[in-house]
Amino acid sequence: KNQVEQSPQSLIILEGKNCTLQCNYTVSPFSNLRWYKQDTGRGPVSLTIMTFSENTKSNGRYTATLDADTKQSSLHITASQLSDSASYICVVSGGILGGSQGNLIFGKGTKLSVKP
Amino acid sequence: EPEVTQTPSHQVTQMGQEVILRCVPISNHLYFYWYRQILGQKVEFLVSFYNNEISEKSEIFDDQFSVERPDGSNFTLKIRSTKLEDSAMYFCAKRTSGKDEQYFGPGTRLTVT
Repeated sequence: KNQVEQSPQSLIILEGKNCTLQCNYTVSPFSNLRWYKQDTGRGPVSLTIMTFSENTKSNGRYTATLDADTKQSSLHITASQLSDSASYICVVSGGILGGSQGNLIFGKGTKLSVKP
Repeated sequence: EPEVTQTPSHQVTQMGQEVILRCVPISNHLYFYWYRQILGQKVEFLVSFYNNEISEKSEIFDDQFSVERPDGSNFTLKIRSTKLEDSAMYFCAKRTSGKDEQYFGPGTRLTVT
């Protein structure tokens, strides 16, 4: 069964600290893996997209890694800010590259709280 | 990338009533999607729409759901006879052909009483 599991479920860190969120997936076939940031009551906003051949991708203070062999990904947030408080969702696309993408498999997300 | 907008932001309806959720405006994009997120749960795919036709749908998208692009720009999701369990956030997303990125709207919160 196609699944995306994330850990931890929630995380509290102090402003300025770094943190790493984890994602394990069992999705086949695999097309790409995405990390989204979702503020409460808002739609998800894309942070990174990585295909099978990419090991790491950065977007500002966000750095995502992908190990397609172990089917694991991580999202590292550097020098956290209060505005980083949100849910971070790992999403795996299991369809054909360039296809309709109807089979995006979402994780439950990690709820990050950054405290002053 | 232009924002995706959705209306209304919040819809309250009685069980059994029909609701229409709108995604506006849409331009220069070929792929459209509807997702839902029940409070506290993960986002779930409902349907993808390409070239004015449904291209994929999930098992959630049963006969009470329908989508259309009535005037070539708006993209709507209709729920014919709402149930209590339809209460959720509904997100519209769009994508340009040839690119993987999906852009989500702010969502419509549907409350069925």
